[in-house]
Amino acid sequence: QKEVEQNSGPLSVPEGAIASLNCTYSDRGSQSFFWYRQYSGKSPELIMSIYSNGDKEDGRFTAQLNKASQYVSLLIRDSQPSDSATYLCAVSASGTYKYIFGTGTRLKVLA
Amino acid sequence: DADVTQTPRNRITKTGKRIMLECSQTKGHDRMYWYRQDPGLGLRLIYYSFDVKDINKGEISDGYSVSRQAQAKFSLSLESAIPNQTALYFCATSDLHDEQYFGPGTRLTVT
Repeated sequence: QKEVEQNSGPLSVPEGAIASLNCTYSDRGSQSFFWYRQYSGKSPELIMSIYSNGDKEDGRFTAQLNKASQYVSLLIRDSQPSDSATYLCAVSASGTYKYIFGTGTRLKVLA
Repeated sequence: DADVTQTPRNRITKTGKRIMLECSQTKGHDRMYWYRQDPGLGLRLIYYSFDVKDINKGEISDGYSVSRQAQAKFSLSLESAIPNQTALYFCATSDLHDEQYFGPGTRLTVT
């Protein structure tokens, strides 16, 4: 079992729709959770961080964390073609180096 | 100016050559990381450093070495390059909340 799992996609959504990206993790000691966006050939860029159960909203993005079920998700509202990228989930345990990335979900927003 | 810079951006080298990749940051972070990214395998940690005197191996350190010359500089060396070290290499820094900030990457090809 991979430590951080994501569906590789591609996930295709029409412009203006909500894109839902999911991530599961295996280490119950994980305490910090992150979503990064990576355009093809570019470096990952931090979108959201979440540390406690529930929802965290930032503009069109909402991160959701459920530690009991060991999953974290990212919702993108009003998806735009410019949101087309690979989204990486990352998980870390506090006080350790253990920062594990998923392999990413490729999102395609269709105009 | 970019907060995290990497040189060179692209490099082609031959098997057996020694090569150094350099990373500099102006974010003032103590923590720095080197990752490699391969298609389908995601980001994998090579080395990390929590301060100038603290350097640690990541999950795939064999064949690599690092040097932390100052808080702002962290270099990665391939002592004797081999073709399976062909990859995209990223340097990153992080704050105490583990939010990581990536450099633009170095595309390395070993022939």
